[in-house]
Amino acid sequence: QVQLQQWGAGLLKPSETLSLTCAVYGGSFSGYYWSWIRQPPGKGLEWIGEINHSGSTNYNPSLKSRVTISVDTSKNQFSLKLSSVTAADTAVYYCARKHIVVVTAIHSVSVWFDPWGQGTLVTVSS
Amino acid sequence: QSVLTQPPSVSGAPGQRVTISCTGSSSNIGAGYDVHWYQQLPGTAPKLLIYGNSNRPSGVPDRFSGSKSGTSASLAITGLQAEDEADYYCQSYDSSLGVFGGGTKLTVL
Repeated sequence: QVQLQQWGAGLLKPSETLSLTCAVYGGSFSGYYWSWIRQPPGKGLEWIGEINHSGSTNYNPSLKSRVTISVDTSKNQFSLKLSSVTAADTAVYYCARKHIVVVTAIHSVSVWFDPWGQGTLVTVSS
Repeated sequence: QSVLTQPPSVSGAPGQRVTISCTGSSSNIGAGYDVHWYQQLPGTAPKLLIYGNSNRPSGVPDRFSGSKSGTSASLAITGLQAEDEADYYCQSYDSSLGVFGGGTKLTVL
């Protein structure tokens, strides 16, 4: 049973850099992409980006200029850095494992996230 | 503004059936990307409820079912129970990004 445990600073000032880490326990680390997703208070979910064990990354274009996701395969951990934060970055940040299934014959692509970390509330306030 | 559109709220009495819609476009659901559903209880992380349009992970009751047609999808909950009161999110894929609906708050009357 795969479990994700995340941690990081919960209170930042504007212009600082958000830094979170997610550790993966159980299951395969190398066979998946690992994602960060955030949820502003009272709002919906936003995919931030992802990384695999080789360090290959994909980012949401809306955040790409400020986001860096890195991986430490020796510890089965991956991390998120978001620079120059503002109040708009206040959110609960989640890490999650990405699943992808492609069935070419029926033109079907299935991408979902499971499991999720417990979430970390990051508040940006002066 | 979310890429996928869900009703902000739905409600139903215990035992009833409710459905939650999720509307996308030709670049996500209509492009062949499957739809998945998550249940988020207050103060907790989202939990996978339905994957691949209609598949339930182990442990999810068969009261929950999903379907997809064209550029839309639906989540149905039958035999509504008080413990089903939560926020529900649909999710698909679009331009190499995971995209979500804005969420639907289910109230059990």
